Amino acid sequence: SQQGEEDPQALSIQEGENATMNCSYKTSINNLQWYRQNSGRGLVHLILIRSNEREKHSGRLRVTLDTSKKSSSLLITASRAADTASYFCATDGTGGGADGLTFGKGTHLIIQP
Amino acid sequence: DTAVSQTPKYLVTQMGNDKSIKCEQNLGHDTMYWYKQDSKKFLKIMFSYNNKELIINETVPNRFSPKSPDKAHLNLHINSLELGDSAVYFCASEGLAGDNEQFFGPGTRLTVL
Repeated sequence: SQQGEEDPQALSIQEGENATMNCSYKTSINNLQWYRQNSGRGLVHLILIRSNEREKHSGRLRVTLDTSKKSSSLLITASRAADTASYFCATDGTGGGADGLTFGKGTHLIIQP
Repeated sequence: DTAVSQTPKYLVTQMGNDKSIKCEQNLGHDTMYWYKQDSKKFLKIMFSYNNKELIINETVPNRFSPKSPDKAHLNLHINSLELGDSAVYFCASEGLAGDNEQFFGPGTRLTVL
């Protein structure tokens, strides 16, 4: 099975700065999704980008997808203290059926006030 | 109303015991999942289930078994608990398998002593 890898593993920036996280995966996908997990909580869906899309925006989030390089990036602009969390990319493969998402190891983002 | 709920939130038990974690979704979704998140925060699919098929990750021991009394519930039964089963278990649901975001429950932290 494929496995996403996020980069960096941890990122600490000042409030107001932009945060960029990268994700790589190994096999063909239907879509790639980004999730946020606050400490001790469940995952919250942020954005989904399909394999035929190259860029998508949602509020302060911008996601890119390069299927030729099997990579994606998540940009959070004008970061806030409340953005402190772990961010995971997850891929939905082309195998068909309900085979679930394959998650990367996550990037722990810390926004310094 | 909580979209995906799990009980209990915390579960502490002795090795060798049998335990269950319950999951309910009120979203009318057809597909539900169980994921395991280990101490390094790595999330891995365990099972996916819709009203037609159960897909099992082959790495999951057969001590783990999902039970779905109806479309809104997917419970996780674990027999003969081992120390290595300690983790956070997340239930999730999806409207149309493979094409949508997944909605996650708050997680159940299982500690095996």
